[in-house]
Formats: sequence, C-alpha cells, structure tokens
Amino acid sequence: GENVEQHPSTLSVQEGDSAVIKCTYSDSASNYFPWYKQELGKGPQLIIDIRSNVGEKKDQRIAVTLNKTAKHFSLHITETQPEDSAVYFCAAITIGGDAGKSTFGDGTTLTVKP
Amino acid sequence: EPEVTQTPSHQVTQMGQEVILRCVPISNHLYFYWYRQILGQKVEFLVSFYNNEISEKSEIFDDQFSVERPDGSNFTLKIRSTKLEDSAMYFCASSETAYSNQPQHFGDGTRLSIL
Repeated sequence: GENVEQHPSTLSVQEGDSAVIKCTYSDSASNYFPWYKQELGKGPQLIIDIRSNVGEKKDQRIAVTLNKTAKHFSLHITETQPEDSAVYFCAAITIGGDAGKSTFGDGTTLTVKP
Repeated sequence: EPEVTQTPSHQVTQMGQEVILRCVPISNHLYFYWYRQILGQKVEFLVSFYNNEISEKSEIFDDQFSVERPDGSNFTLKIRSTKLEDSAMYFCASSETAYSNQPQHFGDGTRLSIL
C-alpha cells in the first residue's frame, strides 16, 4: 500500500519567515496530493492541493510543489503569521475501487513566534 | 459554506458496548469516508462508501466496524463491541466525486472515549 513520510515533525519559525514541509510517497499510482491544516479540536481543513500533471501551484502565501519522478511534494508558506500555527498534514490519494483512499503523513506541528 | 457535521462531539462508552457515530455529509456529495486519529498521531483511513456500499476499507476496519447510510442525509459508523484501543477522534468526510482531483471535506470529529 501507499506510504507517506512527512518531515519535519515540528517546525518553529519567526513571524514573517518562510516555512517548508516536505513529504514523500511510495505509490506511483497516487496522483492527487492535498495539504490539510488542523487546528486544536477541529477536523483537517484543506488548504491547497495539487494534481500529478502539475508541478507547482500557488495560492497567496501558500504554494505546493510536486516532483513526480522523485515522488516528493512540499508545502511552502511565506510571510508566516501566528495564525498559521497548527498541525499540517500531507496526504496522497491512491486510486482504487470507486473511491480514493487517502494516506496521510504523520503531521508537522508548525509554531510561528510573534 | 456547506459543512460536514458530526454528532456527538464527545462520546463516552463502556468497553464492550456498541457505539454509533453520526455524520451529515454535504448535501450534494456522493462519496463518504471515515477516518480515525488516535491522540497525537496521524489521521488514518478507515473506509470509503459510495452508492450504498463500501468502496475501500483499511486493515483497521475489521468485522467490529460497519457503516450505513440509513436515509438520504446521515452516514453512520458503528463499532459493535468497543475496545480500549478504539479510543480516538473519528472524522467523517465527504466529496463530490471520487476522482483523485476532488477534495474531501472533513467534519470536526467525534471524540470517542472507551472506559
């Protein structure tokens, strides 16, 4: 089955700095890669996603890059703000049956210090 | 914006008892999912459901678990005989389609505590 590894497990940055979180996946059949932000007591909320036919996608301060050959993808947050502090999860969707199964990374706890 | 809603927010149950977790997916969505997150750990896929049947399930989803869409709005997860290790957050999610480019929308979860 799919295996997703996520690094680092914790990340602390100063407000205004950039943050980068990296994930690798094992199943070459995976072709959709969402990133979720999870705040305390809440469910994962999609913040950005990328399809396998795209190398990069940007949405304001957030960007995701994908290297299909190397099977890794990264989340980039620029100009970080304290409200960016949360746990971030990457995921890879494995196509199978009638509904895709998500495999999540272990999560990165991001702390943005004011 | 439409939301996935889950009830109850917290369920406390004695070991060995049956528990039913409820979810109301977004109304025009067709694909439904359950995930589990043990405290401090990653989100784990349990099952996906489409057209009134299970599409995929993980190794975690054993015979103690079942899912049902009893009416046009609810999607339930039943654990027949709960064990201590079933204590976790359970998240429901839904998506319009199952294609890999369609996002899943998550509810805020039910915290299940087994005593």
